[in-house]
Amino acid sequence: SQQGEEDPQALSIQEGENATMNCSYKTSINNLQWYRQNSGRGLVHLILIRSNEREKHSGRLRVTLDTSKKSSSLLITASRAADTASYFCATVLNTGTASKLTFGTGTRLQVTL
Amino acid sequence: EAGVAQSPRYKIIEKRQSVAFWCNPISGHATLYWYQQILGQGPKLLIQFQNNGVVDDSQLPKDRFSAERLKGVDSTLKIQPAKLEDSAVYLCASSLNLGANSYNEQFFGPGTRLTVL
Repeated sequence: SQQGEEDPQALSIQEGENATMNCSYKTSINNLQWYRQNSGRGLVHLILIRSNEREKHSGRLRVTLDTSKKSSSLLITASRAADTASYFCATVLNTGTASKLTFGTGTRLQVTL
Repeated sequence: EAGVAQSPRYKIIEKRQSVAFWCNPISGHATLYWYQQILGQGPKLLIQFQNNGVVDDSQLPKDRFSAERLKGVDSTLKIQPAKLEDSAVYLCASSLNLGANSYNEQFFGPGTRLTVL
């Protein structure tokens, strides 16, 4: 089953604008990750935020986490055409010896010139 | 460092036929995962191996899907017989095992796109 629901499902912006994607989840987590998937290719890990963190930055990426609302957001600043891809949040719950990763439904981002 | 390898990249079969996918994880990665990604959805975990043992197969449709990792390295996922709803991309991922309380980053292969007609 899908853990996270992402909003919006699709987003179209112009190059240079900022893109914000939101993710909501249902259960307790140890950390939350964001992945990018280019058309027809595998997933690439972007950033991880732990459950005791509220905000994290990596280059043009900014992630926030609100565990009380069970939600996270991914902000991509100064977007580029190369940022066109699908973005997925994934929650991680550590159980025993395993780390279970559960993906959301994804946001399709289109950046136009 | 070589990434996760998968083959074939594409496969088209008719319903009720059988199909197998192969995955070679990153060298030294003890944990291997198979995901199913239906068009327009996020990946769904099918099975997770720790070395050659199964850790989680709760979402694997065991009446038709099977997977093995006999020597604790590469893995095979099989569907027999295939149904139309099995059309999806099958992703393999691997990670080191630093323990459940550590961040075990998963590295994904390019996937196998299966079309069942």
